[in-house]
Amino acid sequence: AQTVTQSQPEMSVQEAETVTLSCTYDTSESNYYLFWYKQPPSRQMILVIRQEAYKQQNATENRFSVNFQKAAKSFSLKISDSQLGDTAMYFCAFMKREAWAGSYQLTFGKGTKLSVIP
Amino acid sequence: NAGVTQTPKFQVLKTGQSMTLQCAQDMNHNSMYWYRQDPGMGLRLIYYSASEGTTDKGEVPNGYNVSRLNKREFSLRLESAAPSQTSVYFCASSGTASYYEQYFGPGTRLTVT
Repeated sequence: AQTVTQSQPEMSVQEAETVTLSCTYDTSESNYYLFWYKQPPSRQMILVIRQEAYKQQNATENRFSVNFQKAAKSFSLKISDSQLGDTAMYFCAFMKREAWAGSYQLTFGKGTKLSVIP
Repeated sequence: NAGVTQTPKFQVLKTGQSMTLQCAQDMNHNSMYWYRQDPGMGLRLIYYSASEGTTDKGEVPNGYNVSRLNKREFSLRLESAAPSQTSVYFCASSGTASYYEQYFGPGTRLTVT
């Protein structure tokens, strides 16, 4: 079974500054995906960024980027130029890349509550 | 497109009562999922359906049943609600083209007293 650990229950950052959220995971799989989801106060789950384990290049989506360290099983999220709308819970998640076209289950961490301070 | 819809948005039940949470998607996705979210626990998978006509247990299936009514709809039933089932329930779906991306509904907040 896979486990995902987010060691920072809460964090805060000043508007326009940069913040990094940590995530580590444990798996014996070699083929998998890692994700960061954002959950604002509206409760909607929003996919922020995705990383394929077989890719060495770190994924980037606008102000969001990851630092993927496969050997260390570490997957951190960096948010640059933080905005008030970034205030949310952030969840790190793991998905096995199955060889068959079955179902793809997500395993989530417990989340980090990020507050952006004006 | 509505994406993934869930009904109801809020529900209060008494212990022992039953209810069904409804989920529908209009993206022609094959796979559908039910998660629960408890404070400090993240989301945990209850049941999933890889395709129409199939369902399988996830991490926390006890006390729940599911039905994949057709390709669009996937319902979650609580036969005899317990206070431990107080939670926020999310439905999600994913397609074959981008099978790794799950689209989530807005959630149902359920309180069992």
